[in-house]
Formats: sequence, structure tokens, C-alpha cells
Amino acid sequence: GQQVMQIPQYQHVQEGEDFTTYCNSSTTLSNIQWYKQRPGGHPVFLIQLVKSGEVKKQKRLTFQFGEAKKNSSLHITATQTTDVGTYFCAEPSMDSNYQLIWGAGTKLIIKP
Amino acid sequence: GAVVSQHPSWVICKSGTSVKIECRSLDFQATTMFWYRQFPKQSLMLMATSNEGSKATYEQGVEKDKFLINHASLTLSTLTVTSAHPEDSSFYICSAPRLGGFNEKLFFGSGTQLSVL
Repeated sequence: GQQVMQIPQYQHVQEGEDFTTYCNSSTTLSNIQWYKQRPGGHPVFLIQLVKSGEVKKQKRLTFQFGEAKKNSSLHITATQTTDVGTYFCAEPSMDSNYQLIWGAGTKLIIKP
Repeated sequence: GAVVSQHPSWVICKSGTSVKIECRSLDFQATTMFWYRQFPKQSLMLMATSNEGSKATYEQGVEKDKFLINHASLTLSTLTVTSAHPEDSSFYICSAPRLGGFNEKLFFGSGTQLSVL
């Protein structure tokens, strides 16, 4: 069945270091979405990538969609404490036009 | 962005009781609402898709008689956990696309932490 693999599960960084999470799909995607969930909170939509090779930036966050539209990444430059949380990628289900298939998430942890 | 209000935020109940969770779309009409369950340190697991005016569609392995979903209006969907047991303790969260179209971003409620004693 359709799967999206997201790695790593956790990433511990010093404040100011960079952070990257990767998603790989078993299928060619029409689009991919990224969400952030703060500890104790709910997922919040960050961005949707649609075009092959697309790169989008939101301040210190850079999102990429692979040329083959099967993988995506989120890179955060110079992490801050406000970046703490779990980042999820989500792709459209092949079985339903409305549903999303979620990655396992990558938890960003800032070392004390 | 659209606002989805979910209540209660947390609930503690005794084993065998039923718990109702409400999810309201405050500034848009939600023809479709998704109900998720999330265990600690895990991803979102889709339980069911509720559609206004029709029966909900449940994912494989989710008991529809235990997790009753009602979507009677375009702004309200409810999830009732019937005869709750400790293994039902989890974080339940609803979400909806604003326009009800394909591949739309989702707006989430704040979630309900259920603890069954």
C-alpha cells in the first residue's frame, strides 16, 4: 500500500544549528504538504508543494520537492527555541481525493 | 486561516462511560471532517471521515459502534467514544478542509486528551 517514509524520527540540535527532515514516497505525488505540531498542540499547515523541483522559503525554512515528485525535504537554518516541535509531511491518498497519508514525523529537540 | 474549535480539551472519565467530543468549524462550512487519533510520540492515525448528512466512513480496524460519529450540520461534527476503556486513552483531533476540495490543506482543532481510568 501507499507509504511515506519520514526520517529521522528525532533530531537533537544546539540552538543555532541547522535541522533537516526528509520524506520519501512510494508513489509519484501530485503534491506534498508540511505541518508543524508544537508539544501539546495540534498540527498547523506550513506549506504545499506542487511543482517538480519546487523550492519555497519561509524565513529560515526551506522546502523542496524532488524532480521526480517522490521526495521532499524541510530545512531550517539556525534553529531557534520557537522551532521546537514535530514536523510532518503528508501526501494525498491514492484511494481518496480528500485524505492525507502522514509521515511519522521528525521531532526537533533543542539541546539545553 | 479557517478556525476549527474542538471541545473539550481534555477529559478524564471512568471505564464504561461514554465521552462526546465536539468539533465546530467557526468561519466556514465543513462538508467533510476527519477524525484522527494520536498516541504519544506517534503520527496521526485517521479513524474516520465524516460527511455532512451521510454516514461516516471508517478506516479498517476502527470499530464504528464504539466510535460514533455524527455530522448533522455543516459546522458541527461529533465523536462519541462509547463504553470507554483505558486502551481508548489517547489524543483525539479533528480536522477539515476549508473548501472541501481535493488536496486541500487541513485546519485542525486543538485536540482532546482522553484519559480513561
